[in-house]
Amino acid sequence: GESVGLHLPTLSVQEGDNSIINCAYSNSASDYFIWYKQESGKGPQFIIDIRSNMDKRQGQRVTVLLNKTVKHLSLQIAATQPGDSAVYFCAENTGFQKLVFGTGTRLLVSP
Amino acid sequence: EPEVTQTPSHQVTQMGQEVILRCVPISNHLYFYWYRQILGQKVEFLVSFYNNEISEKSEIFDDQFSVERPDGSNFTLKIRSTKLEDSAMYFCASNFEEGNQPQHFGDGTRLSIL
Repeated sequence: GESVGLHLPTLSVQEGDNSIINCAYSNSASDYFIWYKQESGKGPQFIIDIRSNMDKRQGQRVTVLLNKTVKHLSLQIAATQPGDSAVYFCAENTGFQKLVFGTGTRLLVSP
Repeated sequence: EPEVTQTPSHQVTQMGQEVILRCVPISNHLYFYWYRQILGQKVEFLVSFYNNEISEKSEIFDDQFSVERPDGSNFTLKIRSTKLEDSAMYFCASNFEEGNQPQHFGDGTRLSIL
């Protein structure tokens, strides 16, 4: 069945380091992927997305990499800041308007 | 920046009672969604809605659940007879087009069933 999972439930980094958050997905029909950031008491906040016809997309301080061969997605955050501390979710869209979320990775940034 | 807004932020209800959660999606968006997140678990899809009808629903969205767009701005989720296991955060989301467009989420309603 469908599943989206994360390898590391908690990632601790120092301020200024680069962070890499990983995600595995199992539905090869998924054609669109999104990374969301969720701060305490808030809803998921859109960070960056990528379509299945791409393998890399860059935003401001963030990069998403997609490896369809091994069904792996990653989010790279450059120069991580304390304000980046949150739970990060990957989500996949199989084309039926239903997002399937991963379990989430908590990013802790120490000053 | 336009936002999805949800009310109330916290709803406490007795088991068996009806509850209505309210959402105002982003004004030019056409597709609307409800998700829920049980404490400590992942966000789960409940239902999608377009052109005044349900597009897709999950197995969670049983006969106790219904959605409605009563006017041009609100989108509601009703649970007719709440159960203890309905306690969760409920998130509304919207987007302009289906397919490869990000869904934008509100900050949720925390539903506590006693």
